[in-house]
Amino acid sequence: GENVEQHPSTLSVQEGDSAVIKCTYSDSASNYFPWYKQELGKRPQLIIDIRSNVGEKKDQRIAVTLNKTAKHFSLHITETQPEDSAVYFCAASLGGTSYGKLTFGQGTILTVHP
Amino acid sequence: DAGVTQSPTHLIKTRGQQVTLRCSPISGHKSVSWYQQVLGQGPQFIFQYYEKEERGRGNFPDRFSARQFPNYSSELNVNALLLGDSALYLCASSLGTVAYGYTFGSGTRLTVV
Repeated sequence: GENVEQHPSTLSVQEGDSAVIKCTYSDSASNYFPWYKQELGKRPQLIIDIRSNVGEKKDQRIAVTLNKTAKHFSLHITETQPEDSAVYFCAASLGGTSYGKLTFGQGTILTVHP
Repeated sequence: DAGVTQSPTHLIKTRGQQVTLRCSPISGHKSVSWYQQVLGQGPQFIFQYYEKEERGRGNFPDRFSARQFPNYSSELNVNALLLGDSALYLCASSLGTVAYGYTFGSGTRLTVV
């Protein structure tokens, strides 16, 4: 089955710096890659997603890039703010199959220091 | 418009007991998926239900079962609870069967003692 590896497990940056989180996946048939932000004690919230027919997607300070050949995708956060501090999860899915299973990475704890 | 609602929010059970968790999807969403999130890890897929039928099952023992009702709400049942079942159980709803744009509920925190 699909396996998603996420790095780093923890990331500490200063306010205003950029943060990059990387994920690799094993199943070349995966074609949907969402990123979720989970604050302590709260539900995971979708922050951005990308489908395999697109190499990059941007939404204000966040962007996601996808390299299907290398089977990896990355989350980029620019101009980080303290409220960006949370756990970030990448995921992969075989979109278009009969059911929508998300396989998640292990998570990255992002801390933004003021 | 209400989001995905789950009940109860917290639950403490003893080993060997049975538990039922409940989920109401966003209005208009016909698919409900269940995930288990152990502390410090990413969520793991348990089940997906669409139009009251099981569409997918993760690598969980038969002690885990679920069903979906005509109003698209869902229940997750876990029998013969083990300490290792302690986790946050998340419900996600979506319009169709694919995983695009999943919206998660706030979860049920289950503690088995």
